[in-house]
Amino acid sequence: AQSVSQHNHHVILSEAASLELGCNYSYGGTVNLFWYVQYPGQHLQLLLKYFSGDPLVKGIKGFEAEFIKSKFSFNLRKPSVQWSDTAEYFCAVNAKDQAGTALIFGKGTTLSVSS
Amino acid sequence: EPEVTQTPSHQVTQMGQEVILRCVPISNHLYFYWYRQILGQKVEFLVSFYNNEISEKSEIFDDQFSVERPDGSNFTLKIRSTKLEDSAMYFCASSESRPGGSTPLHFGNGTRLTVT
Repeated sequence: AQSVSQHNHHVILSEAASLELGCNYSYGGTVNLFWYVQYPGQHLQLLLKYFSGDPLVKGIKGFEAEFIKSKFSFNLRKPSVQWSDTAEYFCAVNAKDQAGTALIFGKGTTLSVSS
Repeated sequence: EPEVTQTPSHQVTQMGQEVILRCVPISNHLYFYWYRQILGQKVEFLVSFYNNEISEKSEIFDDQFSVERPDGSNFTLKIRSTKLEDSAMYFCASSESRPGGSTPLHFGNGTRLTVT
């Protein structure tokens, strides 16, 4: 079964600082990888996803993530955060091409950005 | 953009009572899911549903839980006899293709269930 680890529970940054949130997964096969974001009082929204191809994927709002297969990692990055990026960020994984496979989430990282 | 909608946004119930959480998935989606998030913990998978039957469920989804698609638009989660530990945010999600496929899950805003 898959599992996901997010190393940072709470990250506090000032505006314009760079961001990197760690995500590692464990699964022996091929996976799809996702980052979801949950703004205060809102639903989970897809930030970006990796299915195949270029391991560096770009998402909405200037976010990107890099899939490093050898490290089982899919870290989220943004060069310059804004106050509006304050939210909870979830890394998620599911097994590729395997019927009935649930999307498994990490515990989430709370990002607080001060202006 | 089409959305998954959930009602109510907040439900308070007494221990032992039955609750039904309601969801309207995106209309052309075929796969439906329930997840929950206990305060301070991770989002946990409960169940997935396709073609009017459960396709996968977690160990959390025991006999007190059930799901139903009573008509062409609603997808419900019933908790038969609520316990204090059922207090959580419950998220409904839907997707066009099966888990492991190429489309992501779309989530609703969640229903906060408080069991007293």
